[in-house]
Amino acid sequence: AQSVSQHNHHVILSEAASLELGCNYSYGGTVNLFWYVQYPGQHLQLLLKYFSGDPLVKGIKGFEAEFIKSKFSFNLRKPSVQWSDTAEYFCAVKSPMDTGRRALTFGSGTRLQVQP
Amino acid sequence: DTGVSQDPRHKITKRGQNVTFRCDPISEHNRLYWYRQTLGQGPEFLTYFQNEAQLEKSRLLSNRFSAERPKGSFSTLEIQRTEQGDSAMYLCASSPAGGGGITDTQYFGPGTRLTVL
Repeated sequence: AQSVSQHNHHVILSEAASLELGCNYSYGGTVNLFWYVQYPGQHLQLLLKYFSGDPLVKGIKGFEAEFIKSKFSFNLRKPSVQWSDTAEYFCAVKSPMDTGRRALTFGSGTRLQVQP
Repeated sequence: DTGVSQDPRHKITKRGQNVTFRCDPISEHNRLYWYRQTLGQGPEFLTYFQNEAQLEKSRLLSNRFSAERPKGSFSTLEIQRTEQGDSAMYLCASSPAGGGGITDTQYFGPGTRLTVL
């Protein structure tokens, strides 16, 4: 079964610092990859997604992620974080072609705290 | 607001009671999902509907849990004889038709937080 690892559980950065959050998945077949964000008191929102094509995808609010198939990774990046980026970030994977499943498998999340 | 809505937002119940949650997906989304999220964890898949058909169920969905989507629009999730371990956030998501389910994106509701005393 697919599993997703987010190794950074809690990250504390100062404003303007660069961000990279790691995400690794276990299944080697065709995958759809997502990053969701949950701001304090709000529901999960889609940040960006990868289905196919250019492995560098850009999302909302200046976030981007790079799919590296050989490393089973989909790391999230932002060159300069803001206090408003304080939130919990979840990586999710769907592997529909090989398993036929529609469900997303989520990582355990990374809590990002940006200090002003 | 045209997003996914869930009701109630919070539910406190005593162990052994039955509870029912409702989810209204985004209009015209034919796929609907239920997930459960506990503190410090990511959401875990429970079940999936395409229109009114329940096509996928996780082994997390014990026989105390039942979900329906009778007319292919809103869905309900019922938990019978609740246990303290059922305390969690129950999330609903929906996704649009098309793409053969390959490239659909799930949009999440605000969740129902269940506390079992």
